[in-house]
Amino acid sequence: GAVVSQHPSRVICKSGTSVKIECRSLDFQATTMFWYRQFPKQSLMLMATSNEGSKATYEQGVEKDKFLINHASLTLSTLTVTSAHPEDSSFYICSATPSGGHWGTGTQYFGPGTRLLVL
Amino acid sequence: DQQVKQNSPSLSVQEGRISILNCDYTNSMFDYFLWYKKYPAEGPTFLISISSIKDKNEDGRFTVFLNKSAKHLSLHIVPSQPGDSAVYFCAASDPRTGTASKLTFGTGTRLQVTL
Repeated sequence: GAVVSQHPSRVICKSGTSVKIECRSLDFQATTMFWYRQFPKQSLMLMATSNEGSKATYEQGVEKDKFLINHASLTLSTLTVTSAHPEDSSFYICSATPSGGHWGTGTQYFGPGTRLLVL
Repeated sequence: DQQVKQNSPSLSVQEGRISILNCDYTNSMFDYFLWYKKYPAEGPTFLISISSIKDKNEDGRFTVFLNKSAKHLSLHIVPSQPGDSAVYFCAASDPRTGTASKLTFGTGTRLQVTL
């Protein structure tokens, strides 16, 4: 249980295009989802907190106009990398926190990640 | 400012022995701690957590110990198995952030369990 999916798992795009990544909680509802970025051999860097029905909260240094987040339902959040450039190439991971229930709160469950390569 | 630190980037343990992964933190307001396991090119998998009101939590082969006065937690894996080979991240939550489950991650420790 507590499964989070991400789509796509891997994407290659041309510089200047936009890429949308979906994050879904499959067996629980999530009021809050998080988006992370991981560079090789480094820790997870929190980019933004996505709240259902309201605007996302971005961490310092993360451009909100570049990384658009939409959390339209309790099971889906999307991250759109707009006008992608090679420096945006990275591993993007989402997580979701159950909104109560037997999973409890406080624990984040992670998706499998999306590898983005911008040429 | 690294609030959660894992000072050992790597650890090698023989199969069947105990693996001990350590984590230190500086923020005394952290009240919930978690350990995640991560394979390359995959998302982290939740292993075990502990609330600051406890000093030990056990789940099968995994036990997490919390020493609040020392701001230190550790993950014990007994017995270690080759499938445990992965990167382990500790994470901590500060309720003051306004989002109960916003986590701060350590830098990770790569565990290798040898035959």
